[in-house]
Amino acid sequence: AQSVTQLGSHVSVSEGALVLLRCNYSSSVPPYLFWYVQYPNQGLQLLLKYTSAATLVKGINGFEAEFKKSETSFHLTKPSAHMSDAAEYFCAVTRSGNTPLVFGKGTRLSVIA
Amino acid sequence: DAGVIQSPRHEVTEMGQEVTLRCKPISGHDYLFWYRQTMMRGLELLIYFNNNVPIDDSGMPEDRFSAKMPNASFSTLKIQPSEPRDSAVYFCASSSGEPTEAFFGQGTRLTVV
Repeated sequence: AQSVTQLGSHVSVSEGALVLLRCNYSSSVPPYLFWYVQYPNQGLQLLLKYTSAATLVKGINGFEAEFKKSETSFHLTKPSAHMSDAAEYFCAVTRSGNTPLVFGKGTRLSVIA
Repeated sequence: DAGVIQSPRHEVTEMGQEVTLRCKPISGHDYLFWYRQTMMRGLELLIYFNNNVPIDDSGMPEDRFSAKMPNASFSTLKIQPSEPRDSAVYFCASSSGEPTEAFFGQGTRLTVV
């Protein structure tokens, strides 16, 4: 079975600082990995996805994530935080595109001016 | 495309009443998922369909929950009778093919009093 663990339920950064949100996965087969963002009272929106192509994946809004098989990690980063990045971020895994995503518990990102 | 459409956005009902949540997936998508989001348990998969057929309903918490997909453009999630512990945000998502992400609706916030 697949699972993901997001380290830190809440991360706070200053505006302009590096954003690092951690995600470790567990999968018995090569995984597909996703990061979603959820703004208050909204649905989930895809930030980026890894589907066994390039290990460094670039997404929307300046976010990127690197798949590291040796570390079973898929951490999300952004060089410079913006106030508009404040939201809940979810890491998700699946073993194939037509099986449901399994989500982590989420990390709430706060950006301080 | 307007995306995944859920209705209602908010529902407040009394314990014991029947609640029906509705979802219109993105046209052409052949997978539909129902998730529930709570603070305690995060995002949980309740059930998913492929080509209108339920594939896995092991996440449905109790017999009080039922879901149907009578055609490719409509699905319902029904709770009868509702209980206060059913209060949550319910999301519908759809996807097509692999490997691809699920597209989420805005969710229905259910409050059972």
